[in-house]
Amino acid sequence: DVKVTQSSRYLVKRTGEKVFLECVQDMDHENMFWYRQDPGLGLRLIYFSYDVKMKEKGDIPEGYSVSREKKERFSLILESASTNQTSMYLCASSYLGLNQPQHFGDGTRLSIL
Amino acid sequence: AQTVTQSQPEMSVQEAETVTLSCTYDTSESNYYLFWYKQPPSRQMILVIRQEAYKQQNATENRFSVNFQKAAKSFSLKISDSQLGDTAMYFCAFMKQNFGNEKLTFGTGTRLTIIP
Repeated sequence: DVKVTQSSRYLVKRTGEKVFLECVQDMDHENMFWYRQDPGLGLRLIYFSYDVKMKEKGDIPEGYSVSREKKERFSLILESASTNQTSMYLCASSYLGLNQPQHFGDGTRLSIL
Repeated sequence: AQTVTQSQPEMSVQEAETVTLSCTYDTSESNYYLFWYKQPPSRQMILVIRQEAYKQQNATENRFSVNFQKAAKSFSLKISDSQLGDTAMYFCAFMKQNFGNEKLTFGTGTRLTIIP
């Protein structure tokens, strides 16, 4: 079975802090994704990566950056956390290719105080 | 840009009944893929079913089937003989046929509750 592991299930940080969310997959997937999930808004794509050191902006990249130094690991960085970034963050991965399903992690519920 | 609309924020049905969740989308693409994902309470999102737009035959997976109407840009999910384990958020998602840029656009979700 595919395993997508997010480093924290719950995280509480303060306004202005630099926050790192980590995601690791064990299936040698080329694609990795970071989403934000908010009630009534569904899932919105923040960034994705189709290869090591490659990244593409999604629909809501402002205030975020990403890093992919190894194929299995994709990090989401909040450069200076703000209260409006309080949310559930979901990581996903998939093989390169059309119609490939995305496999999701358990999510990180991040609260910014 | 593509948009996906799920007009039913919440639904509830009795166990063993059949329920249909609606999804419409807007795109100018002719080739694309559609997905239904399920997110049980406090659990991982998992794929339920997928459909290639170039296939006329509706996809089925056991108790789950879709009604894909390409001209109407509609992609509804039917759950037959509903079970308590079907209680979850259901998301409809769209993927353009764009190799190397395989990102999903999600709808806002439908919260489905199966009542014992």
